[in-house]
Amino acid sequence: AQSVTQLDSHVSVSEGTPVLLRCNYSSSYSPSLFWYVQHPNKGLQLLLKYTSAATLVKGINGFEAEFKKSETSFHLTKPSAHMSDAAEYFCVVRVPGNTGKLIFGQGTTLQVKP
Amino acid sequence: DSGVTQTPKHLITATGQRVTLRCSPRSGDLSVYWYQQSLDQGLQFLIQYYNGEERAKGNILERFSAQQFPDLHSELNLSSLELGDSALYFCASSVTYQETQYFGPGTRLLVL
Repeated sequence: AQSVTQLDSHVSVSEGTPVLLRCNYSSSYSPSLFWYVQHPNKGLQLLLKYTSAATLVKGINGFEAEFKKSETSFHLTKPSAHMSDAAEYFCVVRVPGNTGKLIFGQGTTLQVKP
Repeated sequence: DSGVTQTPKHLITATGQRVTLRCSPRSGDLSVYWYQQSLDQGLQFLIQYYNGEERAKGNILERFSAQQFPDLHSELNLSSLELGDSALYFCASSVTYQETQYFGPGTRLLVL
């Protein structure tokens, strides 16, 4: 069965410092993986997705994620945090098959301090 | 703005009541998905429709039902509401199941 585990429920960084949000996945197949962001009182926005092409995926707003099969990880990074990055981040895996069903991690709240 | 619209934005109702949440997908998207976000359960997939037909079911209670109409908008019906049904309900849409899902702003339901 597919699942994702976000290793930190809360991450706090200072503005201008790097961001690392950790995600491990479990999948019997080559997974499709995503990172979504949810700003307060807003819907979910896709940051980036991995669908078995390049292992280093670039997303919006300077975010990147690297797919590491040997470590079953898909960590999200950004070189320099901005105050506007404060939000909740979800690591997501799509269930194989013809349904498109997404399974979400529990979320990581990113706090950015001035 | 994702292009997915949901109405109403907020809904306050009482236990035992029935409500209908509405979703209009992005233009051209045939698949509609419903998700529930609650503090204790996180974000969970409820149900998916593709071009008017049910395609997949998740952790959807029997008291809940959904449909997708010929114009591709979808409605999620929640009946015999309980306090625990209070949550944020998201709709998402995509062209096909393989394509990126775009999420609406959600409907926040409060059951008192």
